Amino acid sequence: AQKVTQAQTEISVVEKEDVTLDCVYETRDTTYYLFWYKQPPSGELVFLIRRNSFDEQNEISGRYSWNFQKSTSSFNFTITASQVVDSAVYFCALTPLIYNQGGKLIFGQGTELSVKP
Amino acid sequence: NAGVTQTPKFQVLKTGQSMTLQCAQDMNHEYMSWYRQDPGMGLRLIHYSVGAGITDQGEVPNGYNVSRSTTEDFPLRLLSAAPSQTSVYFCASSYSFIMGTGTDEQYFGPGTRLTVT
Repeated sequence: AQKVTQAQTEISVVEKEDVTLDCVYETRDTTYYLFWYKQPPSGELVFLIRRNSFDEQNEISGRYSWNFQKSTSSFNFTITASQVVDSAVYFCALTPLIYNQGGKLIFGQGTELSVKP
Repeated sequence: NAGVTQTPKFQVLKTGQSMTLQCAQDMNHEYMSWYRQDPGMGLRLIHYSVGAGITDQGEVPNGYNVSRSTTEDFPLRLLSAAPSQTSVYFCASSYSFIMGTGTDEQYFGPGTRLTVT
């Protein structure tokens, strides 16, 4: 069975604080993709990053960084120097990298981040 | 490109009514999916398709039908609406996820907010 767990339902920080959103996944597949999506108050889903199971390199994009550790089945997301515009619900998701199974994203429950000025 | 479009944006139905949520994409994506988003549960996969004429069930398929007669369109049908189907529905599309190649993320439509009374 495949499962994604985001144990933090809500996080509240003050602007300029660093914040880490946790994501733990379960899968029996040896090849898979992991994703992070942002859902701002306007409701659309915004793609942030995709990482495949072969690539455990951490990634940094501006104030965003991702830490992928297969040993602990985690794919955590850190926002450095948070801003009010970062306030949103963030989803971690998993999909098997198997022919005809793509397009089947398994989402975590989401973490609602509130950044206060 | 218009990306992924969904119509309508909002809909109110009475219990027992039927309707079709429309989804179209102009990116020639093979994979298309329908998700529903409910508070505290993330997004859950309803049905997905890996190409024209091929569909399969996701995690929560009961009460919904789909068909894929063209690459561009993937409508979701509610045969007899129930209050439990009150939700926000997202359609998504992507290229096929093929191991070892550069692939793309799932593109999400803007969502349809459905209320069943």
